[in-house]
Amino acid sequence: NAGVTQTPKFRVLKTGQSMTLLCAQDMNHEYMYWYRQDPGMGLRLIHYSVGEGTTAKGEVPDGYNVSRLKKQNFLLGLESAAPSQTSVYFCASSTQGAPNQPQHFGDGTRLSIL
Amino acid sequence: GENVEQHPSTLSVQEGDSAVIKCTYSDSASNYFPWYKQELGKGPQLIIDIRSNVGEKKDQRIAVTLNKTAKHFSLHITETQPEDSAVYFCAALGLSSASKIIFGSGTRLSIRP
Repeated sequence: NAGVTQTPKFRVLKTGQSMTLLCAQDMNHEYMYWYRQDPGMGLRLIHYSVGEGTTAKGEVPDGYNVSRLKKQNFLLGLESAAPSQTSVYFCASSTQGAPNQPQHFGDGTRLSIL
Repeated sequence: GENVEQHPSTLSVQEGDSAVIKCTYSDSASNYFPWYKQELGKGPQLIIDIRSNVGEKKDQRIAVTLNKTAKHFSLHITETQPEDSAVYFCAALGLSSASKIIFGSGTRLSIRP
């Protein structure tokens, strides 16, 4: 089982460039999430989606946009990358009945902004 | 908003000994408390969770206890093994934060041979 797949795994950007991170899940989960992980700060929620066509802001949404056009995919966009967005990004999904259901995580995208 | 405090930030124990990680939460309405293990280069994986209608849950060498009155919960790993070395995160469902999971800052557990 593939579970949650994130692409790319690594990326280096220059300040001001844009990019999109892709998350795909094959578990037919309703809920999907984007987190960033910084040293000593755990996981912080950026945006999330409770179903196809829906998105909502999390704890740290500024500078990011998301789209959920298909149930299995959740895209995270950086329109104008800043050094403060250097981080490891994790996507997760969970089944209906969330959020009090386990989240399944991908293996992350390590993003560096120069 | 909801806050989850986790201690210690690093923990080193001798192989075979027990390890305990503690978390406190601020939202008294929280009712779901998962624990995740993150190995190097991987995403977090759920290892155990507990809901507010129980005080303790065990799964082989892992146990979690919940004290709702004091608003704290703990992870206990017994008979530690080298493969237990990882970063562990506690989390709480923050009902006051639009039902979003709030994570602690993590504990790096090292098992000494």
